[in-house]
Amino acid sequence: EAGVTQSPTHLIKTRGQQVTLRCSPISGHTSVYWYQQALGLGLQFLLWYDEGEERNRGNFPPRFSGRQFPNYSSELNVNALELEDSALYLCASSRQGARSDTQYFGPGTRLTVL
Amino acid sequence: AQSVTQPDIHITVSEGASLELRCNYSYGATPYLFWYVQSPGQGLQLLLKYFSGDTLVQGIKGFEAEFKRSQSSFNLRKPSVHWSDAAEYFCAVGDFSSNTGKLIFGQGTTLQVKP
Repeated sequence: EAGVTQSPTHLIKTRGQQVTLRCSPISGHTSVYWYQQALGLGLQFLLWYDEGEERNRGNFPPRFSGRQFPNYSSELNVNALELEDSALYLCASSRQGARSDTQYFGPGTRLTVL
Repeated sequence: AQSVTQPDIHITVSEGASLELRCNYSYGATPYLFWYVQSPGQGLQLLLKYFSGDTLVQGIKGFEAEFKRSQSSFNLRKPSVHWSDAAEYFCAVGDFSSNTGKLIFGQGTTLQVKP
């Protein structure tokens, strides 16, 4: 069974630019989660999508947004990039998004903002 | 407030020695607990999880963890460490009682293995 996949692997952008990160969940999983892992800040929850709807978002500004497609894949968009957006962005998926399900993570996208 | 604490930022053990990584949580409802491992530049791999039942859970790669409600702890153990176990380990609690979907992570413990 294929795991969660993310693209691209690495990305370099400059301040003020926009970026789109992509995630494909494990087959049969309907929920997708996004986390940011920035140096010194640990793993922070960004967004949760389930069945095409945004279910919850973490404490991030509105320039972080995303969507989930009918095939359950997801995009994370970050507008007006700032230096502190440099981080590893991790996507996870789970079977149902309801209580107590297990999240499986992809390899991440490393974003560097110059 | 909901939180996870991993008191040890960095641990060094010799290959073949036993290992225990500590995790304490603060969560008002039934905790759903996880241990993940992250190799440098990689994503997170699930080692094991506790939802209910037997408080000693077995995971992959020879790891186990014990849930102790009275101590609000979920420590990870391995009887004999291998050099390939060198990585960063994260404990997490699932914030599922309020259906936020999110995992709350500890700050991580970096494990170094000496030959």
